[in-house]
Amino acid sequence: NAGVTQTPKFQVLKTGQSMTLQCAQDMNHEYMSWYRQDPGMGLRLIHYSVGAGITDQGEVPNGYNVSRSTTEDFPLRLLSAAPSQTSVYFCASSYSEDGRQGADKNIQYFGAGTRLSVL
Amino acid sequence: AQKITQTQPGMFVQEKEAVTLDCTYDTSDQSYGLFWYKQPSSGEMIFLIYQGSYDEQNATEGRYSLNFQKARKSANLVISASQLGDSAMYFCAMREGWDNFNKFYFGSGTKLNVKP
Repeated sequence: NAGVTQTPKFQVLKTGQSMTLQCAQDMNHEYMSWYRQDPGMGLRLIHYSVGAGITDQGEVPNGYNVSRSTTEDFPLRLLSAAPSQTSVYFCASSYSEDGRQGADKNIQYFGAGTRLSVL
Repeated sequence: AQKITQTQPGMFVQEKEAVTLDCTYDTSDQSYGLFWYKQPSSGEMIFLIYQGSYDEQNATEGRYSLNFQKARKSANLVISASQLGDSAMYFCAMREGWDNFNKFYFGSGTKLNVKP
């Protein structure tokens, strides 16, 4: 069971270059999301999707685009890379699960991360 | 104001002893979820434990338990009988609201070192 797969694991870009970080999950989860992790900080939400064809912005969406044409895949595109986008990127997937009292647990499962450096 | 505060940047614990990692949160919503994740040096994020805001009992998962004090807005992680493999970064996180998937916040983490 592969879970959430991210590619590549490492990437170096020059300022202004574009690239796509790939994310695929094989758990048939409805929700997928992208986070970035900067030194000394927790993860911050970039974009998320609640199903195929539906995406929305998180806390730090500027400079990134996403699309979700299938349940399995949720690529993250950097249109014109900047040094401020140097970070570790995590993709996660989850599904609605009723907790007690009806609260939605929605536990997120993460990929192994992509370490991106922009020079 | 920060949504999740972890005040312990680093901690040491002796192998086989218990350790408590602190987490406080800030929300005005009645419905929210609290999570703890482990990040070993290899970098992946591993889900450990979940506590719903309506759960009156503290969550437990094996050696992990979550000390949930709702009035104090704290959600401390307790690891019993520490093992060397527990050495890692630990992140507390909160999803705010019933179905606000975009309101998912992480703390800055606590680095735990388990000494033999």
